[in-house]
Order: sequence, then C-alpha cells, then structure tokens
Amino acid sequence: DAGVIQSPRHEVTEMGQEVTLRCKPISGHNSLFWYRQTMMRGLELLIYFNNNVPIDDSGMPEDRFSAKMPNASFSTLKIQPSEPRDSAVYFCASRPGTGVEQYFGPGTRLTVT
Amino acid sequence: QKEVEQNSGPLSVPEGAIASLNCTYSDRVSQSFFWYRQYSGKSPELIMSIYSNGDKEDGRFTAQLNKASQYVSLLIRDSQPSDSATYLCAVNKGNTNAGKSTFGDGTTLTVKP
Repeated sequence: DAGVIQSPRHEVTEMGQEVTLRCKPISGHNSLFWYRQTMMRGLELLIYFNNNVPIDDSGMPEDRFSAKMPNASFSTLKIQPSEPRDSAVYFCASRPGTGVEQYFGPGTRLTVT
Repeated sequence: QKEVEQNSGPLSVPEGAIASLNCTYSDRVSQSFFWYRQYSGKSPELIMSIYSNGDKEDGRFTAQLNKASQYVSLLIRDSQPSDSATYLCAVNKGNTNAGKSTFGDGTTLTVKP
C-alpha cells in the first residue's frame, strides 16, 4: 500500500499568494483529517471529513482557509491569501471506517515569506 | 487549561533504562487514548492505543490508563537510542466526533548510549 500521499512536500511562497495542498488518502479509508503543526502551537486539527463530508471544521483558523473533498481519493486544503503566520507543516491523515488508528502522510512544509 | 497536557521535556535517559512519559486530560467523557511517536522531520506514527483502565503491554511498550485520575502514561523498557523521538499523547472524546483526536504538545525523549 502506498500510504497517504501529500503534495507538494515543500512549498515556498510569498505573502498574498494562493496555496493549495493536496492529499490522497489510503484506498478504502473513509475518514480524512487535515492537521497543522508548529513549534508554538503543536499539532492542531483543522478539519476532518467522513465519507467525503466535512464533519468538524472548528479548527480552521479563518476564512482564508478552505478544504474540499470532492471524492474518496482526493482532498485539498487551500489558503488564500497566504500570510507568514501560516508557515507550518501541514499533515493529512486517513482512517479506516472500522478502526481508530490514523495514518499520517509525510506532510507539506509551507513557508510563506 | 489545555485539553491534553504533557511535560515538554526534554526527557533524557541512559540506554537500557525505563523511560516514563505522562499525559493528563481534562474531559472526563474521553474514551480512547493513543500514543504516537514522531521522529524529527517525520510524521506521527501510532505505537499504542488503550481504552480501559489498567495496563496494556506491547513488546517494550506499556500504556497505563487511570480514568478516575484522568491520566495516561507510556513506559518504554530497555530504552534504545532509536527510541529518541517526540511522543504525542492523543485523546478521543466519546461523542459524535468519536474520530476526532486532540493531541498534546509532546514530550521529547533522548536515549543516550
């Protein structure tokens, strides 16, 4: 199994630009999670989907952030416009319907200058 | 007060010793408890899960749960340098968001040869 796939692995962009992060969950998993990790705030849940439907987006920082899951094999997290304080590692994780273990992707390291 | 609290460390133990990592949580309705290991620059990986009071052993790892005290711990016996990592405690609440985990900030463990 390929595991959770995220792209890009690294992204450097200028303040004000749009950033799109992508995630392909493990085939057959029906829950998908987007996290952000920084030294200051630790690992924070931004949003999670169950069967492609957003269940809890209370962790999304503000309207500049949006996430979609158009089908079971693809999700995006978009930041528009980006700000330096958005610099972090963004992880995507997926979970099978009958399990509790979350499988994390390798993460996208975002730097906004 | 944070929902999940851990000593940030760093915790340093000599090779072969027992490493003890602690975690407290604030919400009494919490039902599921997890320990993730995160190597520097990598993504979190689940190493233990525990759901009922008492001890759960898996190889060199033992998770301990005390719901009355709202306390969960991880013991690593015969610590090895390869155990050096950050250990994240995660808690799931027993409600409709059962699949949502809240993470502590992690404890950094260093095992010295």
